[in-house]
Amino acid sequence: NAGVTQTPKFQVLKTGQSMTLQCAQDMNHEYMSWYRQDPGMGLRLIHYSVGAGITDQGEVPNGYNVSRSTTEDFPLRLLSAAPSQTSVYFCASSYSRVTGELFFGEGSRLTVL
Amino acid sequence: AQKVTQAQTEISVVEKEDVTLDCVYETRDTTYYLFWYKQPPSGELVFLIRRNSFDEQNEISGRYSWNFQKSTSSFNFTITASQVVDSAVYFCALLMFSGGYNKLIFGAGTRLAVHP
Repeated sequence: NAGVTQTPKFQVLKTGQSMTLQCAQDMNHEYMSWYRQDPGMGLRLIHYSVGAGITDQGEVPNGYNVSRSTTEDFPLRLLSAAPSQTSVYFCASSYSRVTGELFFGEGSRLTVL
Repeated sequence: AQKVTQAQTEISVVEKEDVTLDCVYETRDTTYYLFWYKQPPSGELVFLIRRNSFDEQNEISGRYSWNFQKSTSSFNFTITASQVVDSAVYFCALLMFSGGYNKLIFGAGTRLAVHP
């Protein structure tokens, strides 16, 4: 079973470049989210979506855009990459807004030079 | 403010030792959920347990056990007879109720190294 699939797994960007991290899930989950993981800071919520067409900001949304045109896909866009966005990014999905049990992708390691 | 503190940054033990990972949380909610996730060296995040605020019974699953104490706002995780495969980063998390979506607040994580 695929679960939550993220691509690419690794990416190096130059400052100012843009890119999209892809996330797809095949579990028909309504709730999807993006987190970034930085050393000593755990995971922080960037953006989330409660269903197709509905997105909202998390703790650290600046510099990122999201959209949710289908239930399956939730891409994260970096508009103009900055070194501060060097991080590991995780996409997650959940079948319930209450449970908090998230299913995570394998992560995408992004380096911005 | 909602907050999760994992004071232990790194723990190193020898195989077969017992080890406890500490988690202290802050919340003003009377109903809340606490979680533990495991991140092995391969990088993925694996759900271990969810506990709600009304259930203070300790939970045991094989070599893993969890001690939830509301009086001290703690949700500690103990691994009995640790094994090398337990080496990972462990995250404690608190579910924050926030309108349309309940958000997980993660602690900074504790890196556990189990040596043969």
